[in-house]
Amino acid sequence: QVQLVQSGAEVKKPGSSVKVSCKASGGPFSANSISWVRQAPGQGLEWVGGIIGIFKTTNYAQRFQGRVTITADEMTSTAYMEVSSLRPEDTAVYYCARAAGYHYTGSESYNPVWGQGTLVTVSS
Amino acid sequence: EIVLTQSPGTLSLSPGQRATLSCRASQSVNSGYLAWYQQTVGQAPRLLIFGASSRATGIPDRFTGSGSGTDFTLTISRLEPEDFAVYYCQQYGTLPITFGGGTKVEIK
Repeated sequence: QVQLVQSGAEVKKPGSSVKVSCKASGGPFSANSISWVRQAPGQGLEWVGGIIGIFKTTNYAQRFQGRVTITADEMTSTAYMEVSSLRPEDTAVYYCARAAGYHYTGSESYNPVWGQGTLVTVSS
Repeated sequence: EIVLTQSPGTLSLSPGQRATLSCRASQSVNSGYLAWYQQTVGQAPRLLIFGASSRATGIPDRFTGSGSGTDFTLTISRLEPEDFAVYYCQQYGTLPITFGGGTKVEIK
């Protein structure tokens, strides 16, 4: 049974950066892509971007391009999402989610496994 | 990007009643790559349906997904107390992956 365990809550100042981790256990790491999804307080779900573990290929939603970096460390079975130049509107719960297949888009790219979420609060 | 519009925003029903949730896409969803998720307060989303109509592992058969092209439906045949939650549709066939705004199913 694959599980994803994320790092703890963070409080950051505007303009700073945050790096959230997502450690996988119970299954091969690189065989499945990881996506990051965020949810602002009281709002819906928003796809931030994803990484294909095998190829380390990434893709980001346009609004996050240049400000978000997603990486993966196969040795520790951990994916990371770093957000720079934080703004108060980046305050949200950030989830990592594992796809059923290796790609983040396509036939097996739905997400049966999710991390517990990491609350990132950006406030001066 | 593909915009997903869910309706209604809120559905007020009683346990035992049937719920019908709609998800409409701004353009055809590639090969029916449409999923439904359930989210309760403080919890991560839970996959219910993928490929528009396939139930995920462990999902009761009172949850049924249907539709193709631009119009998709999630039906809950008889609401149980644990089904009162927010439901999201997601298309995963075209980048960027997008989610609908959600439908809240609340107790009447």
